[in-house]
Amino acid sequence: GAGVSQSPSNKVTEKGKDVELRCDPISGHTALYWYRQSLGQGLEFLIYFQGNSAPDKSGLPSDRFSAERTGGSVSTLTIQRTQQEDSAVYLCASSLQGPANYGYTFGSGTRLTVV
Amino acid sequence: GDSVTQMEGPVTLSEEAFLTINCTYTATGYPSLFWYVQYPGEGLQLLLKATKADDKGSNKGFEATYRKETTSFHLEKGSVQVSDSAVYFCALRLPYGQNFVFGPGTRLSVLP
Repeated sequence: GAGVSQSPSNKVTEKGKDVELRCDPISGHTALYWYRQSLGQGLEFLIYFQGNSAPDKSGLPSDRFSAERTGGSVSTLTIQRTQQEDSAVYLCASSLQGPANYGYTFGSGTRLTVV
Repeated sequence: GDSVTQMEGPVTLSEEAFLTINCTYTATGYPSLFWYVQYPGEGLQLLLKATKADDKGSNKGFEATYRKETTSFHLEKGSVQVSDSAVYFCALRLPYGQNFVFGPGTRLSVLP
């Protein structure tokens, strides 16, 4: 597509429920990233995909968080047994694989509210 | 470790005022430097970048110069507009690194 698409744009869920967030990157972008932006905070790196593999999962905050990517395209971030501290905007970005001077293209994010 | 520090906000200016948002970094290698902007309700957008010392990135009237000697990449604009109200993030990316390191963001409010 023309840009990075994320769905849903907003999600309200009850504490303890599982949620799935979706990211559809720009066609041809092999690198895909998930970040979390909590209220008043900066961006917290969660996970990076190169193709379908995730060489860097260092940012996932707990084992309740997991992510996968299929077909080198769409990615889903799953949060199990959600907690109130999971409330944040979850941002996805994609990039061409290449020199470090390439920038990311971000999606508009999914605002998750755990009540 | 690698990190980016930005001036604390919020920054409130009147329209047509001069803007400076300070950014300094610490990196183990020779990074590329970026400014991203996040308008209300939207995702982050790349504003400008610089990939080597003394390079100047510019876009939409904003400028930033890569200063290796002071490890800085300050964002400037000569005359801000109400439409520039947003959160601005300074970021670095190391050579062959895939992950960006972002600063905490600086919220700018421009009043008419």
